Amino acid sequence: GAVVSQHPSWVICKSGTSVKIECRSLDFQATTMFWYRQFPKQSLMLMATSNEGSKATYEQGVEKDKFLINHASLTLSTLTVTSAHPEDSSFYICSASTGVYGYTFGSGTRLTVV
Amino acid sequence: GENVEQHPSTLSVQEGDSAVIKCTYSDSASNYFPWYKQELGKRPQLIIDIRSNVGEKKDQRIAVTLNKTAKHFSLHITETQPEDSAVYFCAAKISGGNQFYFGTGTSLTVIP
Repeated sequence: GAVVSQHPSWVICKSGTSVKIECRSLDFQATTMFWYRQFPKQSLMLMATSNEGSKATYEQGVEKDKFLINHASLTLSTLTVTSAHPEDSSFYICSASTGVYGYTFGSGTRLTVV
Repeated sequence: GENVEQHPSTLSVQEGDSAVIKCTYSDSASNYFPWYKQELGKRPQLIIDIRSNVGEKKDQRIAVTLNKTAKHFSLHITETQPEDSAVYFCAAKISGGNQFYFGTGTSLTVIP
């Protein structure tokens, strides 16, 4: 089946640094990818919709200059958390639509900012 | 857009009992309703889904029912086991769209 590979699975970084998270569709072309943020035992909060070759669409309240999304190819979308702060610590997960009814998730990235 | 509400937020049941999680949606154009199970720190996994042309679907101990008129759908887990403990999310997809709208999640605990 369709697989989305997400890296890294966990990362610890210092305040003020930037972190890049990658999501790759391994056996299909993902024209659209979705980026979510999730706090422990809470729902998936959609941050942005990433479209190949165009600018991402951000949800209300999500800072586009802080969470940079690039979808330069049909198989790769990246999320860069810039100037990270402890409040950015969270579980970030991507997903891609794989057809009319298909939807597959990456394995998630646990970000801890110290 | 679509608005999906999910209840309860937490649910504890004794092993062997049944668990029911309910969701409502707002957009009558939604036509696909999947349910996901997420274990701590892992990706959500699809466990069952239902399309709008079907009222009920069952897969072993898991079943989903859909009431299009009332715009609600439910997940039923029978003979619960400790390994069923996880967070469950419902979702809805609008016909023609590619985005899934998720419920707020239900943390299910099955007590041995």
